[in-house]
Amino acid sequence: GQQVMQIPQYQHVQEGEDFTTYCNSSTTLSNIQWYKQRPGGHPVFLIQLVKSGEVKKQKRLTFQFGEAKKNSSLHITATQTTDVGTYFCAGPRNTDKLIFGTGTRLQVFP
Amino acid sequence: EPEVTQTPSHQVTQMGQEVILRCVPISNHLYFYWYRQILGQKVEFLVSFYNNEISEKSEIFDDQFSVERPDGSNFTLKIRSTKLEDSAMYFCASTDNRGGIAGAFFGQGTRLTVV
Repeated sequence: GQQVMQIPQYQHVQEGEDFTTYCNSSTTLSNIQWYKQRPGGHPVFLIQLVKSGEVKKQKRLTFQFGEAKKNSSLHITATQTTDVGTYFCAGPRNTDKLIFGTGTRLQVFP
Repeated sequence: EPEVTQTPSHQVTQMGQEVILRCVPISNHLYFYWYRQILGQKVEFLVSFYNNEISEKSEIFDDQFSVERPDGSNFTLKIRSTKLEDSAMYFCASTDNRGGIAGAFFGQGTRLTVV
């Protein structure tokens, strides 16, 4: 079945450092979505990418969708303690199932 | 801002008992989902529901599980004969489009503890 893997599993950074998480799907995706889950919280939708090679920015967050539409990345510039949480990519399988990646847990030290 | 609400926030149940987890999706949404997250692990798809019927389900969603939309607002997940390994966070989500194509809205979750 379709698998969506993310690396790294954990990342600890000093506040102000950059952070990147990578998402890889075993199959081509029609779109890729990114979610953030704060500790003890629920997944919150961040963004969706649809086009091959698409790049979108949200303030310090940059999202990229690979040319082959099988991988994606999220880059955070100059992390802040508010960035702490687990970042999940997710891709639809068939039409009514959203498969979540394994997640990257980000810890930011002040 | 509209939100998905789930009750209860925490449920403790004895092994073998039945539990019903409740969700009120966003009012104009048509597609509903249940996901499960075992502590510290990834978010796992259980089932999707559209037009009063299941549209997709995972291999986890066996005969122990059932979903229902008993009225125009509630969406429930019933787990029969709970097992220890059913202990997890259960999230309800809803969207107004297929596959959550523009992002799914998640509820705060119900933490189920089976003892």
